Amino acid sequence: RKEVEQDPGPFNVPEGATVAFNCTYSNSASQSFFWYRQDCRKEPKLLMSVYSSGNEDGRFTAQLNRASQYISLLIRDSKLSDSATYLCVVNYGYYSGAGSYQLTFGKGTKLSVIP
Amino acid sequence: DAGVTQSPTHLIKTRGQHVTLRCSPISGHKSVSWYQQVLGQGPQFIFQYYEKEERGRGNFPDRFSARQFPNYSSELNVNALLLGDSALYLCASSWGGQGGTEAFFGQGTRLTVV
Repeated sequence: RKEVEQDPGPFNVPEGATVAFNCTYSNSASQSFFWYRQDCRKEPKLLMSVYSSGNEDGRFTAQLNRASQYISLLIRDSKLSDSATYLCVVNYGYYSGAGSYQLTFGKGTKLSVIP
Repeated sequence: DAGVTQSPTHLIKTRGQHVTLRCSPISGHKSVSWYQQVLGQGPQFIFQYYEKEERGRGNFPDRFSARQFPNYSSELNVNALLLGDSALYLCASSWGGQGGTEAFFGQGTRLTVV
């Protein structure tokens, strides 16, 4: 079983649509969770961190369910500029004085927003 | 402020050769991590360095090595290149060595092995 699994995609949606991305992770010791966005042939950029209480940033809402080891991202009112690959990311590093920071990425789900 | 800078941006090497990739983290960031991204996949963790010490190593062969310098810049070295090493190599910097702080990525070095 892969450590971080995402919807295979691609997702092709019209402008204004709501789209949901799902992700599961296998290591219950995971410490922190993120969604990154990657444009074609560019570097990944942090979209938002994901917390158990859920968090929202404008049109984007992220949720984490530790019991189910499940992460989600909801994009409302899709814009053409949202077209990109969305990467679910888990940090298996541990919190301590000698902490480590090892991000594990899912394969990514490509989103195309169509006019 | 400058972001994470990597050099070179593109590189073509022949099988069997070695390569050195360089990364300068954001000023004040002490942690540098390296990732390999092959086409169609998410980035895969190679190494993390914090305060010049190796803090983590991914599942890569010994042909891959790295180091961090006193100014926190880093090099990734790959020996005996294989065709399968062709990928985008990404460097990420963060302030601390622990998870929870945001990791910022450089634009990457696109390595092609022929």
